[in-house]
Amino acid sequence: AQSVTQLDSQVPVFEEAPVELRCNYSSSVSVYLFWYVQYPNQGLQLLLKYLSGSTLVKGINGFEAEFNKSQTSFHLRKPSVHISDTAEYFCAVERYNFNKFYFGSGTKLNVKP
Amino acid sequence: DVKVTQSSRYLVKRTGEKVFLECVQDMDHENMFWYRQDPGLGLRLIYFSYDVKMKEKGDIPEGYSVSREKKERFSLILESASTNQTSMYLCASSLSGISKNTEAFFGQGTRLTVV
Repeated sequence: AQSVTQLDSQVPVFEEAPVELRCNYSSSVSVYLFWYVQYPNQGLQLLLKYLSGSTLVKGINGFEAEFNKSQTSFHLRKPSVHISDTAEYFCAVERYNFNKFYFGSGTKLNVKP
Repeated sequence: DVKVTQSSRYLVKRTGEKVFLECVQDMDHENMFWYRQDPGLGLRLIYFSYDVKMKEKGDIPEGYSVSREKKERFSLILESASTNQTSMYLCASSLSGISKNTEAFFGQGTRLTVV
């Protein structure tokens, strides 16, 4: 099974500050990588995904992530956060052609005014 | 737009009851999933189905079973509900195989409380 580690369970940040949410994975084979966002009492919504090609991936709501194969990381970044970005963020991996998605434990982003 | 619909947003059941959680997707996806979400543990895969009547156990299948009689519908069954099954349950679906459109689409979740 794949392993996904999100080191920070909570990240407090002030509005308009930059933020980075960290994700590391372990896999001996190639994987697809995803970031999802969950607002309170909602399901998960895709922010962005890396399948191949450019290692810098841009997603919705101004988020971007960078795939680093040597460090097996896929950190999520936003240069300036808004109050509305307060949510829980999940990193996920899917092994090529394996069709199962494995999720990290989540990071709660709390944007303060 | 892909839509994954879970039949209930909130459920309260008694210990020992048989509980059915229903999920329907409308995009002809081959794969369907049931996850359980608990604080600090993220999403843990309970069961996965890759075709009608086909299923695989996930990481935490104990106490659960599933049924997929039609491609669009995937049911999670708690044979005898227990209080440690109180949780948020999330259904998801995805395309099969290698695809540039691969991603998991999620329902809104069912918050189950077992008393």
